[in-house]
Amino acid sequence: DTGVSQDPRHKITKRGQNVTFRCDPISEHNRLYWYRQTLGQGPEFLTYFQNEAQLEKSRLLSDRFSAERPKGSFSTLEIQRTEQGDSAMYLCASSLEDGTGSTQYFGPGTRLLVL
Amino acid sequence: AQKITQTQPGMFVQEKEAVTLDCTYDTSDPSYGLFWYKQPSSGEMIFLIYQGSYDQQNATEGRYSLNFQKARKSANLVISASQLGDSAMYFCAMSLPGAGSYQLTFGKGTKLSVIP
Repeated sequence: DTGVSQDPRHKITKRGQNVTFRCDPISEHNRLYWYRQTLGQGPEFLTYFQNEAQLEKSRLLSDRFSAERPKGSFSTLEIQRTEQGDSAMYLCASSLEDGTGSTQYFGPGTRLLVL
Repeated sequence: AQKITQTQPGMFVQEKEAVTLDCTYDTSDPSYGLFWYKQPSSGEMIFLIYQGSYDQQNATEGRYSLNFQKARKSANLVISASQLGDSAMYFCAMSLPGAGSYQLTFGKGTKLSVIP
């Protein structure tokens, strides 16, 4: 069984450009989460999906950020008009909902650098 | 709002010794889950151990055990027989499934260095 995968692993972009990241969860997992981690901090929650429905969004998720999970499988996170403050590690996680606060398994992350 | 506090920015331990990483949490919700993750320099978050708020016994997973003291709101991670490969950042995290919130709230982490 493969784990969570993310693509790309690294992205360098210029301020003002749009970027899109992809996450493929563990195949039977119905929940998918996005987190952002800046240097020296723990990950911060951005949003999560149950199947294709986006159920929760953090206030950190500004209007420039949009996430989708169109068929309840992979997910994309797009950042429009990137700013230098968007530089961070973007982590995706997935879990199987079993009503007990199930364990989230993380992917390797996408490191974004905005110049 | 829930909060996780990890007061040790860095810890050193001799190889083969045991080490305890501290974590305290704050929530008024009676139903919560506590997690520990390891993050090597490569960046991936690796799940180590889980403790539910209603679990009667402390969780154990191989060399990892969780010292859960509910009244003190602490959930310390104990690593026995440390190995060089244990050198990494360690994060404590909490979810509130009882409140319908499955997001993880993380602490700032503890950097563990294992000395040969």
